[in-house]
Amino acid sequence: DQQVKQNSPSLSVQEGRISILNCDYTNSMFDYFLWYKKYPAEGPTFLISISSIKDKNEDGRFTVFLNKSAKHLSLHIVPSQPGDSAVYFCAASGSGSARQLTFGSGTQLTVLP
Amino acid sequence: EPEVTQTPSHQVTQMGQEVILRCVPISNHLYFYWYRQILGQKVEFLVSFYNNEISEKSEIFDDQFSVERPDGSNFTLKIRSTKLEDSAMYFCASSPWTGVSPLHFGNGTRLTVT
Repeated sequence: DQQVKQNSPSLSVQEGRISILNCDYTNSMFDYFLWYKKYPAEGPTFLISISSIKDKNEDGRFTVFLNKSAKHLSLHIVPSQPGDSAVYFCAASGSGSARQLTFGSGTQLTVLP
Repeated sequence: EPEVTQTPSHQVTQMGQEVILRCVPISNHLYFYWYRQILGQKVEFLVSFYNNEISEKSEIFDDQFSVERPDGSNFTLKIRSTKLEDSAMYFCASSPWTGVSPLHFGNGTRLTVT
């Protein structure tokens, strides 16, 4: 059951350049999408989210784009910094009673100095 | 910034033993969750809890699992008789409401069943 898919297990980017992380989903009932960052031995840390009524949300260096017709979202990090090196999880939820999250498998981002 | 705290950070137990994982959610949050991540796999939803009862649970959350909010601050996950396949990172999370609001996660408890 892969309702949320992150097809790239890893990504390497040079410091200062743009990092683009991608995520696809299959469940049309999802209406809220989030990106979490995770360092080893820590829990997922919320980064940025977007609801299905928008197609873009920006917070500092982080921008999330949502393409509902393609069931695709992406996270752009500009400029990338070495401290951004972590695993990035895409997650989605629908309008259930408790809004549990369905996670993708994660993408390991490495930002090279 | 308020955070979700989990104890212990690492728990080792023998197969068949009971374990209790503890969490202190963020104080003004109303919705509480347990997730787990088996090594190399996705983060998976286990259970959500609101108003002192389970809101939703996944098929993973069978009769061996239970949750409780024994007082105004703690939220616990009990595994009655652990199996080898219960070895995983267990994450507690909380949220102020079920509108479009992110979940805030603790740093997890690594459970190792031998």
